[in-house]
Amino acid sequence: LAKTTQPISMDSYEGQEVNITCSHNNIATNDYITWYQQFPSQGPRFIIQGYKTKVTNEVASLFIPADRKSSTLSLPRVSLSDTAVYYCLVGLTGRRALTFGSGTRLQVQP
Amino acid sequence: ETGVTQTPRHLVMGMTNKKSLKCEQHLGHNAMYWYKQSAKKPLELMFVYSLEERVENNSVPSRFSPECPNSSHLFLHLHTLQPEDSALYLCASSQGGARNEKLFFGSGTQLSVL
Repeated sequence: LAKTTQPISMDSYEGQEVNITCSHNNIATNDYITWYQQFPSQGPRFIIQGYKTKVTNEVASLFIPADRKSSTLSLPRVSLSDTAVYYCLVGLTGRRALTFGSGTRLQVQP
Repeated sequence: ETGVTQTPRHLVMGMTNKKSLKCEQHLGHNAMYWYKQSAKKPLELMFVYSLEERVENNSVPSRFSPECPNSSHLFLHLHTLQPEDSALYLCASSQGGARNEKLFFGSGTQLSVL
């Protein structure tokens, strides 16, 4: 299973765009890239998933370069409520579940 | 609402007590998971069930005993716990076998062992 590396923490201000990059150098051909958001004392929540190029939904965008060795989660115009931990996971298939990494703790200031 | 319900939401127990955590998923998924999250630490995978069969046990002490009677229900039986077992216990489910598999988590049980 592919190992991921993310920044431990990031700071931003309300209204700014935030980009969180995840490195996954040994991603396998069939692996999807999935991002989750976790608030304190709650379970992680699915944000977005992609395989290649760009994916956009109502919450975020996910940019994946051609070599797929990294991915960038983009949160447009963050608000205080976006303060959370963001996890990047690669390659959850069938019976084998990934252990989450440390994630990126995003702090949004007013 | 994620479709995964955990009860109780909070639990305080002594080291000699026996209690059970319950998880129920209403998503028609075929895989269920228990995770543990200690304060300010990453989630640790404890157990995985696929089609009601335990397929992974991440070296969890025997004082934690999982049970999966059917694909919609998952239990975690607790006995003679230690204070260091205090943590947020999260249940998740997924539709296993798909390349774009996603995990759906419950809100967790915040456990305090006194």
